[in-house]
Amino acid sequence: QSALTQPASVSGSPGQSITISCTGTSSDVGGYNFVSWYQQNPGKAPKLMIYDVSNRPSGISNRFSGSKSGNTASLTISGLQAEDEADYYCSSYTSSSTQVFGTGTKVTVL
Amino acid sequence: QVQLVESGGGVVQPGRSLRLSCVASGFTLSDYGMHWVRQAPGKGLEWVALIWNDGSHKYYADSVKGRFTISRDNSKNTLYVQMNSLRVEDTAVYYCARGSGGYFTRFDPWGQGTLVTVSS
Repeated sequence: QSALTQPASVSGSPGQSITISCTGTSSDVGGYNFVSWYQQNPGKAPKLMIYDVSNRPSGISNRFSGSKSGNTASLTISGLQAEDEADYYCSSYTSSSTQVFGTGTKVTVL
Repeated sequence: QVQLVESGGGVVQPGRSLRLSCVASGFTLSDYGMHWVRQAPGKGLEWVALIWNDGSHKYYADSVKGRFTISRDNSKNTLYVQMNSLRVEDTAVYYCARGSGGYFTRFDPWGQGTLVTVSS
């Protein structure tokens, strides 16, 4: 159950688009369309941003989008805003019927 | 509104036990799988355990298998995790999260978390 691999940090200027990758294996990310993304602000609980690879829960801005290719999932934030500065984690279902999270990515708005 | 509230955290010595609870409100607990997820200080999220809506299936991370037991009492709207043989590396904020969708893979919402510190 190794953690999925994410870049430690990603940064961008307001209005720009950034993409966070989440790399796993064919036993998790590549094998199922059960990839989710979570936003976590300091001292707060995580918040669901994307589920089932590319679906947005009600109330989540359409500036957030998800995709997947092979063993790598991606979260794109377009029109970057100061409020988007947070930690982001991906998660995936696995062939062992468990869940695994990514290593986490700190997003900085320059 | 949908809400999850964890309790039971605290300071415990290595090798001892602790039971965490998570009280659900605003939805029918028996309709959802439930997860425990933890986060060590300054570290990332680590999935701990899942219990299906009816309690028929339970799954654990390798790091806690054989030491932690997840359970639920739908009549009391409460999720539990019994943590035995605690280790220093179990120190973390423990969150409960509602699981929905296929294989309960959607974690939404999360509780505010309860801190468990394992230290001598």
